[in-house]
Amino acid sequence: DAGVTQSPTHLIKTRGQHVTLRCSPISGHKSVSWYQQVLGQGPQFIFQYYEKEERGRGNFPDRFSARQFPNYSSELNVNALLLGDSALYLCASRRGQGASGNTIYFGEGSWLTVV
Amino acid sequence: AQKITQTQPGMFVQEKEAVTLDCTYDTSDPSYGLFWYKQPSSGEMIFLIYQGSYDQQNATEGRYSLNFQKARKSANLVISASQLGDSAMYFCAMRVMNRDDKIIFGKGTRLHILP
Repeated sequence: DAGVTQSPTHLIKTRGQHVTLRCSPISGHKSVSWYQQVLGQGPQFIFQYYEKEERGRGNFPDRFSARQFPNYSSELNVNALLLGDSALYLCASRRGQGASGNTIYFGEGSWLTVV
Repeated sequence: AQKITQTQPGMFVQEKEAVTLDCTYDTSDPSYGLFWYKQPSSGEMIFLIYQGSYDQQNATEGRYSLNFQKARKSANLVISASQLGDSAMYFCAMRVMNRDDKIIFGKGTRLHILP
């Protein structure tokens, strides 16, 4: 089975622009989460979606939004990009909510550079 | 509040030696999971091993084992017979169960395997 897949792998945007990052979870995984990892730090939780509903949100501004589709894939949108949004954006998936399927798997990430 | 502490910013180990990466955690919740991930320079966050707070046995996955000492709130990763390909950043992480999929990461340990 394919792992968590993300696209695009690398992109460069200008300040003020908008970006959409995409994620396909492992087949059978219903929970998708997004993380931001700036250089030299551990990843920070942005969102979790399960069955198309937001189940968790980290401490990020409203410029960040996400959604999950019926096939469990997900998009992360960031508006009005700032230089500080430059980071590796990681998508993670887990089989189910609660205790079932505790292991969380990550994709290869999308490297975003804002200039 | 939950917290993960990794006190070793960097380590140098001779190839074929065993290595222990330290991790301590803090949570008041009785139900939690502990993870170790490997992150090479490519950025992908690779799942290595998982330990649930109620698991009686220490988790093992091939050359990886997790030395779980609940009373000390310690979850050290042991890599046996290290290989050059083990050179990477290693993150200890925790998730509190029955909430969202938010994982709290430590700051990581950069492991260098020397030939």
